[in-house]
Amino acid sequence: EAGVVQSPRYKIIEKKQPVAFWCNPISGHNTLYWYLQNLGQGPELLIRYENEEAVDDSQLPKDRFSAERLKGVDSTLKIQPAELGDSAVYLCASSARTSGSETDTQYFGPGTRLTVL
Amino acid sequence: AQTVTQSQPEMSVQEAETVTLSCTYDTSESDYYLFWYKQPPSRQMILVIRQEAYKQQNATENRFSVNFQKAAKSFSLKISDSQLGDAAMYFCAYSSNFGNEKLTFGTGTRLTIIP
Repeated sequence: EAGVVQSPRYKIIEKKQPVAFWCNPISGHNTLYWYLQNLGQGPELLIRYENEEAVDDSQLPKDRFSAERLKGVDSTLKIQPAELGDSAVYLCASSARTSGSETDTQYFGPGTRLTVL
Repeated sequence: AQTVTQSQPEMSVQEAETVTLSCTYDTSESDYYLFWYKQPPSRQMILVIRQEAYKQQNATENRFSVNFQKAAKSFSLKISDSQLGDAAMYFCAYSSNFGNEKLTFGTGTRLTIIP
């Protein structure tokens, strides 16, 4: 079974440029997460989707970050414009069940390392 | 809000020996899940072991086991017969039991295996 797929693995951009990250979750997984991992830190949730609906986006900086999950499968996270402080690893994860049921394990992709110059 | 603390930024162990990584957490909830994830240099978070708070029995996965002390809010990971491939960052994480809530991670422990 294929795991969570993310692309690109690495991205280097100039500040003020836009950037987008793509995630394909494990087949059949309804819940998708985007996490931000700064150097030397644990990941922190940016947004959580259940199917097409963003059910928790309280930590997403909405002035420059946006996300979508069309058809409840793939997801794209966008930053526009990027700032120096956005340099980090962006991780995508998915899990099988949705709210109201027992918590299920989250499976992570390999992440995208973003460098903003 | 829940917090997770890993007080050991770095640990090292001789190959084939046993090492224990510490984790404490703070929560007012009675039902939750705890996880240990491993992150090698490839960056992919890999699940090592999972513990449900309502289970008194400590989880075990091959060479990995936990010591879950609910009253003390402690959740340590023991790695037996350490192997070179165990070298990685290890993150302790907490999740509420209300349907796939977010994971709250600690700051990680870097484990080095000495040949």
